[in-house]
Amino acid sequence: DTAVSQTPKYLVTQMGNDKSIKCEQNLGHDTMYWYKQDSKKFLKIMFSYNNKELIINETVPNRFSPKSPDKAHLNLHINSLELGDSAVYFCASSDRGHSTDTQYFGPGTRLTVL
Amino acid sequence: AQSVAQPEDQVNVAEGNPLTVKCTYSVSGNPYLFWYVQYPNRGLQFLLKYITGDNLVKGSYGFEAEFNKSQTSFHLKKPSALVSDSALYFCAETYSGGGADGLTFGKGTHLIIQP
Repeated sequence: DTAVSQTPKYLVTQMGNDKSIKCEQNLGHDTMYWYKQDSKKFLKIMFSYNNKELIINETVPNRFSPKSPDKAHLNLHINSLELGDSAVYFCASSDRGHSTDTQYFGPGTRLTVL
Repeated sequence: AQSVAQPEDQVNVAEGNPLTVKCTYSVSGNPYLFWYVQYPNRGLQFLLKYITGDNLVKGSYGFEAEFNKSQTSFHLKKPSALVSDSALYFCAETYSGGGADGLTFGKGTHLIIQP
């Protein structure tokens, strides 16, 4: 069984559109994350979220918003897509969000903005 | 501020030889260090982590890493490389109380194992 899953795997869209990426984890973890991997393979945290608190990386534009319908899901909604948003987006989860916890990653969603 | 350095963009090793992928960190206090591997068009897979205790950490697929506080390093090693080890390797860190801040990653090192 897949521990952390993301849909879709690939997403191609036009500038200015709004899109969402879904993430689900079946590990029973309390904390979920979104990371962005750019074209140079550099990985950067965007958000972390548990049922109590949302932590936003200050460099993330407010066009990006995480939405969590329940503990097992953390979706990423992006408004007014820009060319620079093209990247691979990874969802991850960890048990309690402690800094010693291992984070488990999903397979990624490759977003291409035309 | 935290940072993780992986000084080599690429490491080439012949199959059967030992391999080392280098990582240095700069967080003050007690760092928590991780290694992940990314195969082409795949997500990141956890290999191992150092939290406290024994400086030599053993992980998945025969990999190990040694935490060296004096040199602020956490190099990844394997005694005998396999062609299937070829992938992109990331070192990452966090720190006490920083769980919600996520992992800070190095830029990655491409490991190429030549048959």
